[in-house]
Amino acid sequence: SQTIHQWPATLVQPVGSPLSLECTVEGTSNPNLYWYRQAAGRGLQLLFYSVGIGQISSEVPQNLSASRPQDRQFILSSKKLLLSDSGFYLCAWSVMGDTEAFFGQGTRLTVV
Amino acid sequence: DAKTTQPPSMDCAEGRAANLPCNHSTISGNEYVYWYRQIHSQGPQYIIHGLKNNETNEMASLIITEDRKSSTLILPHATLRDTAVYYCIVRVARNDMRFGAGTRLTVKP
Repeated sequence: SQTIHQWPATLVQPVGSPLSLECTVEGTSNPNLYWYRQAAGRGLQLLFYSVGIGQISSEVPQNLSASRPQDRQFILSSKKLLLSDSGFYLCAWSVMGDTEAFFGQGTRLTVV
Repeated sequence: DAKTTQPPSMDCAEGRAANLPCNHSTISGNEYVYWYRQIHSQGPQYIIHGLKNNETNEMASLIITEDRKSSTLILPHATLRDTAVYYCIVRVARNDMRFGAGTRLTVKP
């Protein structure tokens, strides 16, 4: 069966520090991968999506970047965090076509 | 640019049917309508999806209008655990998924 792992669950980082959030998927090949952010009390904002290794589409100009070094690994990074980067970060995967998407449990990032 | 419009909030009495509307007037012929829900501090959970025909599964029913410009998610017997934010999404051709603000459903005893 397919599973998605996202870590850490919570993170507190100072302003200006780097960030690396990792997401891995098991049990499927060539998934579409997504990074979302949810600010407190707000909806989900699509940040990045990837349809294959090294293929990243960015939806919103921002302080973040994403990479896909392996088929089932998706990494969200920042060189210098801002206070506005605080939020709930969710990784998700799906396969091509009309199937549903599966979400990780999320990382709650607080930038202080 | 979520392509869908939903009411920001709704209430429903426990045990009654919850009917959540969604407008997607610019939907294209090959785009599916998906519904997810998000319980506080968790990742969204898939509920149901459809293209043209009405769909039903163990969680809910999805009614899509004939012109496909709107749909309704029906929870037939809402429970307190159904309190969540419900998102209606139109799946675009590039395989990305864009969530709107959703509807916050509160089921009351």
